[in-house]
Amino acid sequence: GAVVSQHPSWVICKSGTSVKIECRSLDFQATTMFWYRQFPKQSLMLMATSNEGSKATYEQGVEKDKFLINHASLTLSTLTVTSAHPEDSSFYICSARASGGTFFGPGTRLTVL
Amino acid sequence: SQELEQSPQSLIVQEGKNLTINCTSSKTLYGLYWYKQKYGEGLIFLMMLQKGGEEKSHEKITAKLDEKKQQSSLHITASQPSHAGIYLCGAAANAGGTSYGKLTFGQGTILTVHP
Repeated sequence: GAVVSQHPSWVICKSGTSVKIECRSLDFQATTMFWYRQFPKQSLMLMATSNEGSKATYEQGVEKDKFLINHASLTLSTLTVTSAHPEDSSFYICSARASGGTFFGPGTRLTVL
Repeated sequence: SQELEQSPQSLIVQEGKNLTINCTSSKTLYGLYWYKQKYGEGLIFLMMLQKGGEEKSHEKITAKLDEKKQQSSLHITASQPSHAGIYLCGAAANAGGTSYGKLTFGQGTILTVHP
């Protein structure tokens, strides 16, 4: 299947700082990528749809000023958690649609102290 | 919005036993995905089903989508400890354009396989 990577795989930051997470499609182009978050022992919740060359579409209840999404190329989307707080600590996963299915990155674990 | 209900929420089986996980949708499914996840890791794509009555198999795992496209099942034959993990079903959005590839997930089924 298609390969999606994320960087970093884990990050620990202080409250109030911003953290950038990258999502890359390695062997295909993705005009659209999706960002999810997952809390412990819970399922994935869609946060936003990242569109190459245009603004992201956010799900209801997701603060677009807090979770900045940039999709600057056909293989890269970034999620920036601004002014992170402990309640933002979570597992963030991106996905991209390719021929044959929708494929997910390995996830990024964010811990905000 | 579409809701997916998975059952059971957790399952403990002895190695070698067969098992089935169900996924029921509140609306007709446009497409249904099955993934496996180890806690704290990404999702491993298992299968995608789109046609009513479709059935796909890979190694010891078989997934089916019913004719009405509202229910899917995942069946594992002769389970092994390597099958342990969280199984998630995901419903594809019934729209093209930028929603293509957007998934809504069930709550997951935690599978434990005892050797």
